[in-house]
Amino acid sequence: DAEITQSPRHKITETGRQVTLACHQTWNHNNMFWYRQDLGHGLRLIHYSYGVQDTNKGEVSDGYSVSRSNTEDLPLTLESAASSQTSVYFCASSPQTGYEQYFGPGTRLTVT
Amino acid sequence: DAKTTQPNSMESNEEEPVHLPCNHSTISGTDYIHWYRQLPSQGPEYVIHGLTSNVNNRMASLAIAEDRKSSTLILHRATLRDAAVYYCILFITGNQFYFGTGTSLTVIP
Repeated sequence: DAEITQSPRHKITETGRQVTLACHQTWNHNNMFWYRQDLGHGLRLIHYSYGVQDTNKGEVSDGYSVSRSNTEDLPLTLESAASSQTSVYFCASSPQTGYEQYFGPGTRLTVT
Repeated sequence: DAKTTQPNSMESNEEEPVHLPCNHSTISGTDYIHWYRQLPSQGPEYVIHGLTSNVNNRMASLAIAEDRKSSTLILHRATLRDAAVYYCILFITGNQFYFGTGTSLTVIP
């Protein structure tokens, strides 16, 4: 069955370190998204991509970057981790804009 | 930002229908109404979406007001597994999904 996976599921890192969160989908979807979720907030969009070599900033993109070199993967990089980036991160994909999004299980990141 | 308004929380008895309301007064003609839910410690899960007409699927029904400024997600028979946060999202063509804080549904046995 097609699926979307995230790794690692849990990560603890120190302030200032570079961290990369992986997202892999096997649906061959063009669109992929990264969200973060904090207590008291819904999901907030970080970055998104409509296809290979395409990336766009979302609502809370500062301190994050993405690159799309193939259809299946959209890694999220925190260039210099900050305590404010402690959060749960969700990756999602969808076949077309406006269609339903399929979410991964999430990565819980703690920055100490 | 596309704005929707939902109650923070609701309760329902098990095996009874649940009506989850959502207001979206800024909606325009081509905006779709999406509903997702998030079970504890999981990623959000698609429930249903619609444009103008009422919609049904195996999970739920979506009733859309005639003026489209509000909608209601209907769970026909709540089970304990339906306890989740339900998000009503307005998708504007050319834009992205904006999740609010949703409605936390508690199902009472």
